[in-house]
Amino acid sequence: EDQVTQSPEALRLQEGESSSLNCSYTVSGLRGLFWYRQDPGKGPEFLFTLYSAGEEKEKERLKATLTKKESFLHITAPKPEDSATYLCAVHDSWGKLQFGAGTQVVVTP
Amino acid sequence: GAVVSQHPSWVICKSGTSVKIECRSLDFQATTMFWYRQFPKQSLMLMATSNEGSKATYEQGVEKDKFLINHASLTLSTLTVTSAHPEDSSFYICSALPGTSGSRLDTDTQYFGPGTRLTVL
Repeated sequence: EDQVTQSPEALRLQEGESSSLNCSYTVSGLRGLFWYRQDPGKGPEFLFTLYSAGEEKEKERLKATLTKKESFLHITAPKPEDSATYLCAVHDSWGKLQFGAGTQVVVTP
Repeated sequence: GAVVSQHPSWVICKSGTSVKIECRSLDFQATTMFWYRQFPKQSLMLMATSNEGSKATYEQGVEKDKFLINHASLTLSTLTVTSAHPEDSSFYICSALPGTSGSRLDTDTQYFGPGTRLTVL
């Protein structure tokens, strides 16, 4: 059965304190792993798409990596504006996007 | 690039009335659009998939006669909540998948709209 699990559920960071979010997945034939950021009351904002193990992508303070079983979203020296819920998703066997429950990140000054 | 808009951003209506929500891809063509529903503190739940020019495919448990979807063009899909009731109150979000023809965007990536907050009194 296709499954996406994110951890931790919530993360509280001091400004500048780097950390990583985890997304573990089981899916038959990965067709892409996606990271989104969602602010309260808004739709998900696209961050990264990863396709193969070993692939890495960066955008400002965020870096996403992919292995055969999991993906990490590294947040380097976060700022308060990085506070959001980060969602991981994969295409399931039916081609639909299956989301994890998300990690709520709060960065305090 | 990859901008998706929704209108309205929020709507309040009386029980029994119908509400239409529009989803537009502003700078790309989308052969496939998706409609999601999100409850507080929960992740997105797929309601239906719509392809331009054909009938929408609904997920199990979603009433197709209550949630009417029309994908009229390559840039517009609409969701109409018919005879709305308080239990239909939710956050509705659409997404669009870029078409394969000459797209500069990743055709496997869904780009989401900002969402529409529906409150039924």
